[in-house]
Amino acid sequence: QSALTQPASMSGSLGQSITVSCTGTSNDIGAYNYVSWYQQQPGTAPKLLIYDVMNRPSGVSHRFSGSKSGNTASLTISGLQAEDEASYFCSSYMRGNTFVVFGGGTNLTVL
Amino acid sequence: QVQLLQSGAEVKKPGSSVKVSCKAFGGTFADYGIGWVRQAPGQGLEWMGLIIPVLGTPNYAQFFHGRISITADESTNTAYMELDSLTFEDTAIYYCARVTGTLYYYMDIWGKGTTVIVSS
Repeated sequence: QSALTQPASMSGSLGQSITVSCTGTSNDIGAYNYVSWYQQQPGTAPKLLIYDVMNRPSGVSHRFSGSKSGNTASLTISGLQAEDEASYFCSSYMRGNTFVVFGGGTNLTVL
Repeated sequence: QVQLLQSGAEVKKPGSSVKVSCKAFGGTFADYGIGWVRQAPGQGLEWMGLIIPVLGTPNYAQFFHGRISITADESTNTAYMELDSLTFEDTAIYYCARVTGTLYYYMDIWGKGTTVIVSS
């Protein structure tokens, strides 16, 4: 059972925007601005999309953006493209000895 | 650009142990951690633990406490993850990743993964 809660699946049409939510607690997302997001294409390793809630690593499209409010973080993908069809995982630093917790992942279908 | 090269696939019997290696090319472990994440077939990502080589002490997810060991050899830029007392539920792809950030929590470079199959 994942510590962070994400919708299992979402879908959006080409060109639209979608927002993936990630809900945690006051011990993780709510306590720190240390949320990251990963994209995973089938059969490949995850790829870092967002770190520190809203920062994009070099090379990641500006269509990906992150935000946070209270215990919930969000990933917004604007101008959906076919190549965005993938699984998306959120992650947060967690108070205590664990360091990192993941969400269960969201499978995105682009229609 | 740092790349992480992981050891090859393994098939193990229940009750045995597996040791997976992760070697960094094009850079060193300095100032970073090496984390381990696994993914069971069709499932999500599961945090296992990390080691920050310059500090030396590993940190393990509570779920794996007692049967996991993460070590690092700075002289060869290689990290290792050993998991004991394997069960069928340990069948998964095991990823190593470079961990960074103020509190060492996000993973910016990933290995391609090592498939571990536990089968009798």
